This record gives sequence, C-alpha cells and structure tokens, in this order.
Amino acid sequence: NAGVMQNPRHLVRRRGQEARLRCSPMKGHSHVYWYRQLPEEGLKFMVYLQKENIIDESGMPKERFSAEFPKEGPSILRIQQVVRGDSAAYFCASSPASRQAEFFGPGTRLTVL
Amino acid sequence: DQQVKQNSPSLSVQEGRISILNCDYTNSMFDYFLWYKKYPAEGPTFLISISSIKDKNEDGRFTVFLNKSAKHLSLHIVPSQPGDSAVYFCAASGGSNYQLIWGAGTKLIIKP
Repeated sequence: NAGVMQNPRHLVRRRGQEARLRCSPMKGHSHVYWYRQLPEEGLKFMVYLQKENIIDESGMPKERFSAEFPKEGPSILRIQQVVRGDSAAYFCASSPASRQAEFFGPGTRLTVL
Repeated sequence: DQQVKQNSPSLSVQEGRISILNCDYTNSMFDYFLWYKKYPAEGPTFLISISSIKDKNEDGRFTVFLNKSAKHLSLHIVPSQPGDSAVYFCAASGGSNYQLIWGAGTKLIIKP
C-alpha cells in the first residue's frame, strides 16, 4: 500500500518560470492538503481539496498560486512566475475523510534561482 | 489568531529520561488531537492521536494526555532515545475546521 507520493522531489526554476508540483494521495484517500515550509520556519497550511473541489484555500497567496485535484490523476500545485521567495519545501498530505489524521508525502524542494 | 500553540520552540533531554512536549489550544470545539514527528528534509510522520472522549492514549513509548478543562495536551516519550530527536507538531480538529490546525512545532534534542 503505497504512501503519499510527490514528484518531483527537487525542482529548480529560474525567476519568472512556472513550477508544477504533483501529489498522488494514498489509495482510498480523497482529501488532499498542501503545506509549505520556508527555511527555518514551521509548516504553513496552503489549501485543502477534495476531488474536483477546493474546500479551503485560506492559506494560498492571492496571486500566482493555484491548486487542483481532478477526478482522475494527481493533485497539482501550480506556481506561476516564480520568485526567489517561493523557494521552500512543499508538502502534500492526504486523508480518507476530513478531520482525520493526515499522511504526508516526502515533499518537493523548490529552488528558485 | 493561533488556535494551537506550542510555546517551547526547543527542548533538550538526556537520553533515557522522559521527554514531555506540551501543546495548548483555544478552541473548545476541538475534539481530536494528533502528534506528528518530523525529521529534516522529510514529511511529518503521524505518531499518536487522542479523541476528546479520552484523557490518555498510549502506544509503546509514546503517551498523549489530554486535559480538556485546561485545553492542554502533552506528549510523553519514555525512555527518550537519540532517534527521537526531531521536530514535534501537535494538531487539532473539530468545530468549523475541516482540516487540521497545527502548532508551530517543538524541536526535541536528545543528548547522549
């Protein structure tokens, strides 16, 4: 039973490029959460999605960031026109239902040059 | 408005002794609490949870205590081992929150 999978594990982008981070939840999990961890800081909630729906995006920056979780395929976190401040570790978690334990993937480390 | 607070950014404990990590919350509607452990460059790992109908849950060396009247929970690790050195996050859910609400984390250092 595979855990939460994230790819790529490391992503390097130049300023102004787009970054696409993918997350495949655990089998049987239909709830996905994205978090960001900036250097020397704790986890910051970004967005919570259930299949095809955004439930809570209160932690998402207002511009350049978007997330989706289509009916088929992985959840995608998309960052347009990346800036150096976007450099961080981005973690995805999944759960079988809301308000239950979330299981995390290994993260994607984004570096913006 | 921090609903879940871990007031100690770090804690240092001698190997073999008890580690006690604390967490306070403000929302009385929270009814489910969890502890996670995180190593550098890895995702958090679920450790142990407790529902508000209980005041204690034990799993091996890990015990979580919940004091609802004080809105306080703690994680006890006995005995502490070097591999326990990590950042520990507490999280809570309930009320109008669909997702977990997280504390800022406590870095536990186990000294040999």
